[in-house]
Amino acid sequence: QVHLVESGGSVVQPGRSLRLSCAASGFTFSYYGMHWVRQAPGKGLEWVALISYDGSNKYYADSVKGRFTISRDNSKNTLFLQMNSLRAEDTAVYYCAKELTGFGMNVWGQGTSVTVSS
Amino acid sequence: DIQMTQSPSTLSASVGDRVTITCRASQSIGSWLAWYQQNPGQAPKLLIHKASTLESWVPSRFSGSGSGTEFTLTISSLQPDDFATYYCQEYHGYPYTFGQGTKLEIK
Repeated sequence: QVHLVESGGSVVQPGRSLRLSCAASGFTFSYYGMHWVRQAPGKGLEWVALISYDGSNKYYADSVKGRFTISRDNSKNTLFLQMNSLRAEDTAVYYCAKELTGFGMNVWGQGTSVTVSS
Repeated sequence: DIQMTQSPSTLSASVGDRVTITCRASQSIGSWLAWYQQNPGQAPKLLIHKASTLESWVPSRFSGSGSGTEFTLTISSLQPDDFATYYCQEYHGYPYTFGQGTKLEIK
């Protein structure tokens, strides 16, 4: 059973940092690119970042570029999102998703909630 | 960056109705378009990839069409489980962009 489980979300003050994790199981994690996608309360989906299967290529939305860093540990089947200089507008549920080349995001986690508030 | 314009933002319909959601790209994306279904409080699920190929779990009443800049998602006869929010997404290049979403409501 293919499974993605996010963790690390919490309430944090503006300007602080937070690291999200996404544990993968049921597939060969090191074969696939992985995404982070977020959804602010009551809003639509916003793509955040993508990392290639081997970590050699990383892409970011303009809204997070320079503040967020996507990474992965293929030995531990885990994806990360390091979020620095957090802002109120980063408040959202953060989903990790598996990329299937040519298909889009074919597996999603259940999400982890990040609230940035003083 | 490619912009994705999805319409309508809300659609009220009844069980048995045929409905169509449109997604327009600001430049050609070939067939690199996906549709996702999201139910309240749940993660999105991939519905259609490459503009028209249904995922294995998707009933045949769903269909996708289009290429280039104009795409549609059609549900031929709405069922109760179909009332959800639908998003298009281009994956032609980075950043991957989602449409604003269409909330399909029961009339």
